[in-house]
Amino acid sequence: KAGVTQTPRYLIKTRGQQVTLSCSPISGHRSVSWYQQTPGQGLQFLFEYFSETQRNKGNFPGRFSGRQFSNSRSEMNVSTLELGDSALYLCASSLSVGHTGELFFGEGSRLTVL
Amino acid sequence: GENVEQHPSTLSVQEGDSAVIKCTYSDSASNYFPWYKQELGKGPQLIIDIRSNVGEKKDQRIAVTLNKTAKHFSLHITETQPEDSAVYFCAASKGTGNQFYFGTGTSLTVIP
Repeated sequence: KAGVTQTPRYLIKTRGQQVTLSCSPISGHRSVSWYQQTPGQGLQFLFEYFSETQRNKGNFPGRFSGRQFSNSRSEMNVSTLELGDSALYLCASSLSVGHTGELFFGEGSRLTVL
Repeated sequence: GENVEQHPSTLSVQEGDSAVIKCTYSDSASNYFPWYKQELGKGPQLIIDIRSNVGEKKDQRIAVTLNKTAKHFSLHITETQPEDSAVYFCAASKGTGNQFYFGTGTSLTVIP
């Protein structure tokens, strides 16, 4: 069974640009959540989607947005990039919402903002 | 919101020794506490979890303990092996969806 797939794996952008990251969850998983990982802050929750609806949102500015499609694939977008947005963005899928099942993480998309 | 603190940030042990990582949380509504292991270049992977109605859980060389009164939980790895070297994260959840609050991680090095 294929795991969580994130694309692209690496990307470099400049300040002010925007970026879109993609996540394909494990087949059958309907919940997709996104986390930002930085060396100093650890993993911080961005948002979670279930059945194309955003269920929870973390404490990030409105420049960070996401969506989920009918096939459960998800995208997140960051507009007007800042240097501080450089991070590893992790997507995780789960069979259901709530802690009835574990999170399965992808390998992440590493974003560098110059 | 919830705040999870994790200590130590780095830990080196000799192969065969035990390793202990400790976490505290602030929100008494948190009721689910997973531990994730992240190897270099990989995403975190669940290794063990515990729910608030249980005080201890063990899976082979790995065990987790939870003290709800003190709001802290710990990961214990016995008979460490070089392949245990990784970054370990604790997390807490209130069960409202899949929103988890993670600690800042512990980089464990097992010296052969």
